[in-house]
Amino acid sequence: GNSVTQMEGPVTLSEEAFLTINCTYTATGYPSLFWYVQYPGEGLQLLLKATKADDKGSNKGFEATYRKETTSFHLEKGSVQVSDSAVYFCALRGRTDKLIFGTGTRLQVFP
Amino acid sequence: GAVVSQHPSRVICKSGTSVKIECRSLDFQATTMFWYRQFPKKSLMLMATSNEGSKATYEQGVEKDKFLINHASLTLSTLTVTSAHPEDSSFYICSASLARTPYEQYFGPGTRLTVT
Repeated sequence: GNSVTQMEGPVTLSEEAFLTINCTYTATGYPSLFWYVQYPGEGLQLLLKATKADDKGSNKGFEATYRKETTSFHLEKGSVQVSDSAVYFCALRGRTDKLIFGTGTRLQVFP
Repeated sequence: GAVVSQHPSRVICKSGTSVKIECRSLDFQATTMFWYRQFPKKSLMLMATSNEGSKATYEQGVEKDKFLINHASLTLSTLTVTSAHPEDSSFYICSASLARTPYEQYFGPGTRLTVT
C-alpha cells in the first residue's frame, strides 16, 4: 500500500542554517505530495504541495520538488528562522483521495 | 479563514467512561470531516470520514461502536470514545474540507485524551 517515510527528528539548527528534511514515498500511480507544518498548539497547516512529477512546491521560503525517479519530496529552506520551529509532516494523496502521512519531523531552530 | 477548532484540547477520564470530542469549522461550512489518531512518534492514522447528515465511513480496523462519530451539521462533528480504556489514550485530530476544494483539508489543533 501507499506509505510515506520521513527522517526522524529532532532536527536542530542555528538560525540562518540550511534545512533539508528528507521524505520518500511508496505509491501506485501518480500521487499528489504535500508538506504540512504544525506550530505548537495549532493544527496542521498546508505548507506546500506538488501534484505531478518535476513540480516544485514553494511557500514561505520552503521548497520541495516531486522526484518520481527517486520517489522523493525533500523539504528545503535556505535560511531558517527561529519562527520555523515546528513539526513538519510529509504526506501523499493517492487514488483513494485519503491523505497518508509520515511520522513528522520536529525542527528546532536556535538563535 | 478556514479555521477548525477542537474541544477540549485535553481530557482525562477514568477507564469505562465515555468522552466526547467536538470538531467545529468556525468560518466555513464543511461538507466532509475527517478524524485522525496519532500515536507518539507515529504518523497520523485516518480513523473515519464523515459527511454531514450521513453515516461515517470507518477505516479498516477501527471499531465503529467504540468510536462514535456524529456529523449533525455543516460546522460540527463529534467523536465519542465509548467505554474508554487506557489503550485509547492518544492524540485525536480532526480536519474538514469544503465542497469546492474537496482535496484540501483544514486541521484542528488536536485533543489529547488520557484514560486512567
